[in-house]
Amino acid sequence: AQKITQTQPGMFVQEKEAVTLDCTYDTSDPSYGLFWYKQPSSGEMIFLIYQGSYDQQNATEGRYSLNFQKARKSANLVISASQLGDSAMYFCAMTNTGFQKLVFGTGTRLLVSP
Amino acid sequence: DVKVTQSSRYLVKRTGEKVFLECVQDMDHENMFWYRQDPGLGLRLIYFSYDVKMKEKGDIPEGYSVSREKKERFSLILESASTNQTSMYLCASSLAGELFFGEGSRLTVL
Repeated sequence: AQKITQTQPGMFVQEKEAVTLDCTYDTSDPSYGLFWYKQPSSGEMIFLIYQGSYDQQNATEGRYSLNFQKARKSANLVISASQLGDSAMYFCAMTNTGFQKLVFGTGTRLLVSP
Repeated sequence: DVKVTQSSRYLVKRTGEKVFLECVQDMDHENMFWYRQDPGLGLRLIYFSYDVKMKEKGDIPEGYSVSREKKERFSLILESASTNQTSMYLCASSLAGELFFGEGSRLTVL
């Protein structure tokens, strides 16, 4: 069975600083995908970034990068130069071969202060 | 743009009522999902469907059923709503693993 663990229920960061949100995963599948989603207070889920288990390089999307350490089974999200609009819930998720379903972690609430 | 539409943003129902939550997607995606989201528990998968008339149980299917008569529509049914089903319900469709979510339906069962 797949499992995602997010151990930080809440994180605080000042504007313009970088922040790392932790995510560890457990799976026996050799092929899997890792995702990060953002959920602002409005409730919609916004896809941020994807990392495939066989991707050689860490994924990056603008200010978001995924620090993928396969041996440690971790897929931390790094947000550089935080902005006030980054305040939201962040969910790490994974899918298995065939991309049939996504398993989510419990989320981390990020608060960016001026 | 992919659009996933959930029929109701907010619902208030009484214990024992039958509740239908409707979800429609416009991108011809094969896979559709129903999750519930609760504070501290994240998103938990209730049911998913990978084809018309096909369904698979997720992690918490008890008390729920689903219907997928057409590719674009995936309905979640609470046969007899209970107070512990008060939650935010999120529908999603997927292409190659990436999920596209609806805006959510916040259900309160009194």
